[in-house]
Amino acid sequence: GQSLEQPSEVTAVEGAIVQINCTYQTSGFYGLSWYQQHDGGAPTFLSYNALDGLEETGRFSSFLSRSDSYGYLLLQELQMKDSASYFCASYSGGYQKVTFGTGTKLQVIP
Amino acid sequence: DAGVIQSPRHEVTEMGQEVTLRCKPISGHDYLFWYRQTMMRGLELLIYFNNNVPIDDSGMPEDRFSAKMPNASFSTLKIQPSEPRDSAVYFCASSFEGEQYFGPGTRLTVT
Repeated sequence: GQSLEQPSEVTAVEGAIVQINCTYQTSGFYGLSWYQQHDGGAPTFLSYNALDGLEETGRFSSFLSRSDSYGYLLLQELQMKDSASYFCASYSGGYQKVTFGTGTKLQVIP
Repeated sequence: DAGVIQSPRHEVTEMGQEVTLRCKPISGHDYLFWYRQTMMRGLELLIYFNNNVPIDDSGMPEDRFSAKMPNASFSTLKIQPSEPRDSAVYFCASSFEGEQYFGPGTRLTVT
Protein backbone atom coordinates (compact mmCIF):
# COMPACT_ATOMS: atom_id res chain seq x y z
CA GLY A 1 0.00 0.00 0.00
CA GLN A 2 0.87 3.62 -0.10
CA SER A 3 0.73 6.15 2.73
CA LEU A 4 2.22 9.57 3.37
CA GLU A 5 2.36 11.53 6.60
CA GLN A 6 2.72 15.26 6.95
CA PRO A 7 1.76 17.71 9.69
CA SER A 8 -1.79 18.96 9.47
CA GLU A 9 -1.05 22.60 10.24
CA VAL A 10 1.93 24.95 10.40
CA THR A 11 2.04 28.63 11.30
CA ALA A 12 4.96 30.88 10.40
CA VAL A 13 5.77 34.57 10.33
CA GLU A 14 6.02 36.60 7.15
CA GLY A 15 9.63 36.78 5.98
CA ALA A 16 10.65 33.66 7.88
CA ILE A 17 11.57 30.16 6.67
CA VAL A 18 9.35 27.13 7.15
CA GLN A 19 9.93 23.45 6.52
CA ILE A 20 7.11 20.99 5.85
CA ASN A 21 8.06 17.37 6.33
CA CYS A 22 6.71 14.28 4.61
CA THR A 23 7.38 10.64 5.38
CA TYR A 24 6.15 7.99 3.03
CA GLN A 25 5.60 4.28 2.73
CA THR A 26 5.35 3.55 -0.96
CA SER A 27 6.02 0.24 -2.62
CA GLY A 28 7.83 0.65 -5.91
CA PHE A 29 8.72 4.23 -4.98
CA TYR A 30 9.64 6.34 -7.98
CA GLY A 31 9.73 9.95 -6.76
CA LEU A 32 8.17 12.64 -4.60
CA SER A 33 6.34 15.78 -5.68
CA TRP A 34 4.95 18.81 -3.89
CA TYR A 35 1.76 20.65 -4.80
CA GLN A 36 0.27 23.89 -3.48
CA GLN A 37 -3.47 24.44 -3.15
CA HIS A 38 -5.13 27.70 -2.13
CA ASP A 39 -8.59 27.55 -0.57
CA GLY A 40 -11.16 26.99 -3.28
CA GLY A 41 -8.48 26.43 -5.90
CA ALA A 42 -6.86 23.54 -7.68
CA PRO A 43 -3.52 21.94 -6.78
CA THR A 44 -0.57 23.39 -8.64
CA PHE A 45 2.77 21.67 -9.14
CA LEU A 46 5.76 22.99 -7.18
CA SER A 47 8.58 20.46 -7.45
CA TYR A 48 9.64 16.90 -8.09
CA ASN A 49 12.50 14.84 -6.60
CA ALA A 50 13.51 11.51 -8.05
CA LEU A 51 17.02 11.44 -6.60
CA ASP A 52 18.35 12.17 -3.14
CA GLY A 53 19.23 15.76 -2.48
CA LEU A 54 17.92 19.27 -2.71
CA GLU A 55 16.09 20.84 -5.64
CA GLU A 56 15.75 24.62 -5.61
CA THR A 57 13.19 26.69 -7.48
CA GLY A 58 13.20 30.30 -6.42
CA ARG A 59 12.01 30.68 -2.84
CA PHE A 60 10.96 27.02 -2.70
CA SER A 61 13.27 24.04 -2.26
CA SER A 62 12.47 20.36 -1.93
CA PHE A 63 14.59 17.61 -0.44
CA LEU A 64 14.45 13.84 -0.69
CA SER A 65 16.16 11.03 1.20
CA ARG A 66 15.16 7.70 -0.31
CA SER A 67 16.98 5.71 2.37
CA ASP A 68 14.91 7.45 5.08
CA SER A 69 11.66 7.53 3.05
CA TYR A 70 11.54 11.21 3.88
CA GLY A 71 11.27 14.51 2.14
CA TYR A 72 10.56 18.12 2.92
CA LEU A 73 9.50 21.35 1.31
CA LEU A 74 11.36 24.48 2.37
CA LEU A 75 9.77 27.86 1.85
CA GLN A 76 11.97 30.91 2.32
CA GLU A 77 11.13 34.61 2.64
CA LEU A 78 7.54 33.72 3.41
CA GLN A 79 4.86 35.94 1.94
CA MET A 80 1.22 36.22 2.93
CA LYS A 81 0.25 34.69 -0.42
CA ASP A 82 2.06 31.48 0.59
CA SER A 83 -0.80 30.73 2.97
CA ALA A 84 -2.22 27.57 1.42
CA SER A 85 -2.26 23.81 1.77
CA TYR A 86 0.80 21.89 0.67
CA PHE A 87 0.64 18.27 -0.39
CA CYS A 88 3.43 15.79 -0.84
CA ALA A 89 2.72 13.12 -3.43
CA SER A 90 4.56 9.88 -4.05
CA TYR A 91 4.86 8.12 -7.36
CA SER A 92 5.05 4.36 -7.70
CA GLY A 93 5.39 1.94 -10.56
CA GLY A 94 6.33 4.74 -12.86
CA TYR A 95 5.84 8.43 -12.94
CA GLN A 96 2.06 8.55 -13.21
CA LYS A 97 0.59 6.44 -10.41
CA VAL A 98 0.43 9.02 -7.64
CA THR A 99 -0.73 9.04 -4.03
CA PHE A 100 -1.25 12.34 -2.24
CA GLY A 101 -0.59 13.03 1.43
CA THR A 102 -3.27 14.54 3.62
CA GLY A 103 -1.87 18.04 3.22
CA THR A 104 -0.35 20.67 5.51
CA LYS A 105 -2.25 23.90 5.97
CA LEU A 106 0.29 26.73 6.20
CA GLN A 107 -0.78 29.98 7.74
CA VAL A 108 1.56 32.93 7.30
CA ILE A 109 1.02 35.67 9.88
CA PRO A 110 2.30 39.25 9.82
CA ASP B 1 -3.35 27.11 -23.98
CA ALA B 2 -6.47 27.49 -21.84
CA GLY B 3 -5.39 24.82 -19.38
CA VAL B 4 -7.52 21.89 -18.29
CA ILE B 5 -11.20 22.69 -18.67
CA GLN B 6 -13.89 21.11 -16.53
CA SER B 7 -17.65 21.43 -16.63
CA PRO B 8 -19.83 22.06 -14.87
CA ARG B 9 -18.07 24.02 -12.13
CA HIS B 10 -20.89 23.35 -9.69
CA GLU B 11 -23.51 20.62 -9.71
CA VAL B 12 -26.34 20.10 -7.26
CA THR B 13 -28.43 17.01 -7.73
CA GLU B 14 -30.75 14.75 -5.83
CA MET B 15 -29.86 11.30 -4.62
CA GLY B 16 -30.47 8.68 -7.27
CA GLN B 17 -29.86 10.96 -10.22
CA GLU B 18 -27.17 10.44 -12.82
CA VAL B 19 -24.28 12.90 -12.79
CA THR B 20 -21.81 13.42 -15.64
CA LEU B 21 -18.66 15.45 -15.17
CA ARG B 22 -16.65 16.55 -18.19
CA CYS B 23 -12.99 17.30 -18.81
CA LYS B 24 -10.95 18.66 -21.69
CA PRO B 25 -7.22 18.08 -21.12
CA ILE B 26 -4.40 20.26 -22.34
CA SER B 27 -3.67 19.59 -26.00
CA GLY B 28 -0.71 17.27 -26.45
CA HIS B 29 -0.92 15.72 -22.99
CA ASP B 30 -1.08 11.94 -23.09
CA TYR B 31 -2.15 11.24 -19.50
CA LEU B 32 -5.47 12.16 -17.92
CA PHE B 33 -6.41 11.73 -14.28
CA TRP B 34 -9.62 11.97 -12.28
CA TYR B 35 -9.37 12.84 -8.58
CA ARG B 36 -11.87 13.34 -5.78
CA GLN B 37 -11.22 15.63 -2.82
CA THR B 38 -13.07 15.67 0.50
CA MET B 39 -12.17 16.90 3.94
CA MET B 40 -12.36 13.38 5.33
CA ARG B 41 -10.44 11.47 2.66
CA GLY B 42 -8.23 14.14 1.13
CA LEU B 43 -7.22 13.98 -2.51
CA GLU B 44 -7.84 10.53 -4.00
CA LEU B 45 -6.85 9.28 -7.43
CA LEU B 46 -9.87 7.59 -8.99
CA ILE B 47 -8.64 6.55 -12.41
CA TYR B 48 -6.10 7.53 -15.03
CA PHE B 49 -5.77 7.12 -18.78
CA ASN B 50 -2.78 6.97 -21.09
CA ASN B 51 -3.43 7.74 -24.75
CA ASN B 52 -7.18 7.40 -24.09
CA VAL B 53 -6.80 3.91 -22.57
CA PRO B 54 -7.72 3.35 -18.89
CA ILE B 55 -4.58 2.20 -17.09
CA ASP B 56 -5.59 1.96 -13.46
CA ASP B 57 -9.11 2.28 -12.08
CA SER B 58 -8.38 0.78 -8.68
CA GLY B 59 -9.37 4.03 -7.01
CA MET B 60 -12.90 4.03 -8.38
CA PRO B 61 -15.03 3.56 -5.26
CA GLU B 62 -17.67 1.26 -6.71
CA ASP B 63 -19.59 0.24 -9.77
CA ARG B 64 -21.70 3.37 -9.63
CA PHE B 65 -18.68 5.24 -10.96
CA SER B 66 -17.50 4.96 -14.55
CA ALA B 67 -15.10 6.97 -16.69
CA LYS B 68 -14.50 7.16 -20.40
CA MET B 69 -12.09 8.88 -22.73
CA PRO B 70 -13.44 8.56 -26.26
CA ASN B 71 -10.71 10.75 -27.73
CA ALA B 72 -7.62 12.70 -26.76
CA SER B 73 -9.53 15.88 -26.02
CA PHE B 74 -12.44 14.70 -23.91
CA SER B 75 -13.19 12.58 -20.87
CA THR B 76 -16.23 11.99 -18.69
CA LEU B 77 -16.76 10.73 -15.17
CA LYS B 78 -20.24 9.41 -14.56
CA ILE B 79 -21.96 8.56 -11.29
CA GLN B 80 -25.16 6.57 -11.53
CA PRO B 81 -27.02 6.55 -9.21
CA SER B 82 -25.56 9.36 -7.13
CA GLU B 83 -25.56 9.28 -3.31
CA PRO B 84 -25.00 12.01 -0.71
CA ARG B 85 -21.59 10.53 0.18
CA ASP B 86 -20.44 11.30 -3.37
CA SER B 87 -20.49 15.00 -2.50
CA ALA B 88 -16.96 16.27 -3.12
CA VAL B 89 -14.81 18.33 -5.45
CA TYR B 90 -13.82 16.32 -8.51
CA PHE B 91 -10.64 17.34 -10.28
CA CYS B 92 -9.39 16.37 -13.68
CA ALA B 93 -5.67 16.67 -14.42
CA SER B 94 -3.50 16.04 -17.44
CA SER B 95 0.22 15.58 -17.97
CA PHE B 96 2.81 14.98 -20.64
CA GLU B 97 6.13 14.44 -18.89
CA GLY B 98 5.15 14.00 -15.27
CA GLU B 99 4.05 17.38 -13.97
CA GLN B 100 0.28 17.29 -13.59
CA TYR B 101 -1.91 20.26 -14.48
CA PHE B 102 -5.20 20.35 -12.64
CA GLY B 103 -8.48 21.76 -13.84
CA PRO B 104 -10.54 24.09 -11.62
CA GLY B 105 -12.66 21.21 -10.36
CA THR B 106 -16.36 20.44 -10.20
CA ARG B 107 -18.03 20.87 -6.83
CA LEU B 108 -20.71 18.19 -6.59
CA THR B 109 -23.42 18.29 -3.98
CA VAL B 110 -25.85 15.37 -3.75
CA THR B 111 -28.87 16.01 -1.54
